[in-house]
Amino acid sequence: GENVEQHPSTLSVQEGDSAVIKCTYSDSASNYFPWYKQELGKRPQLIIDIRSNVGEKKDQRIAVTLNKTAKHFSLHITETQPEDSAVYFCAAKKGDTGRRALTFGSGTRLQVQP
Amino acid sequence: DAGVTQSPTHLIKTRGQQVTLRCSPKSGHDTVSWYQQALGQGPQFIFQYYEEEERQRGNFPDRFSGHQFPNYSSELNVNALLLGDSALYLCASSLSGEQYFGPGTRLTVT
Repeated sequence: GENVEQHPSTLSVQEGDSAVIKCTYSDSASNYFPWYKQELGKRPQLIIDIRSNVGEKKDQRIAVTLNKTAKHFSLHITETQPEDSAVYFCAAKKGDTGRRALTFGSGTRLQVQP
Repeated sequence: DAGVTQSPTHLIKTRGQQVTLRCSPKSGHDTVSWYQQALGQGPQFIFQYYEEEERQRGNFPDRFSGHQFPNYSSELNVNALLLGDSALYLCASSLSGEQYFGPGTRLTVT
């Protein structure tokens, strides 16, 4: 089955700096890659996603890049703010519908120092 | 428009007992997936329901079972609880590619 590895496990940055979180996946058939943000005691919230027919996607301060050949994808957060502090999870899935399981990485705890 | 809801919020059970967790999907969503999130880890897929049948299953024992009702809501049942079943149980609903999570049920087994 699919295996998703995520690095680093913890990341501390100064407010205003950029943060990058990287994930690799094993199943070349995976074609949907979402990123979730989970604040302490709360539900994972979808913040951005990318499909395999696209190499990059941006939404304000957040961007995701995908390298299908190398089977890795990354989350980039620019101009970090204290409210960006949370645990971030990458995930991978096959298929274009919601009828497939997500395989999650182990998470990255991001701390933004004011 | 209500998002994904789950009940109860918290639950404390004793080893060997049975538990039922409930999930109502986001309006318009017909597929419900259940995940187990142990402390400090990413969610692990348990199983998925649509059209009232289990369609996919992760690497979980038969003690974990579920059901989906005609209104798309779903239940997760766990029998013969073990200490290791203590976790946050998340329900996610979907229609297209995106899965939206509920707030979860925190299960503690003592």
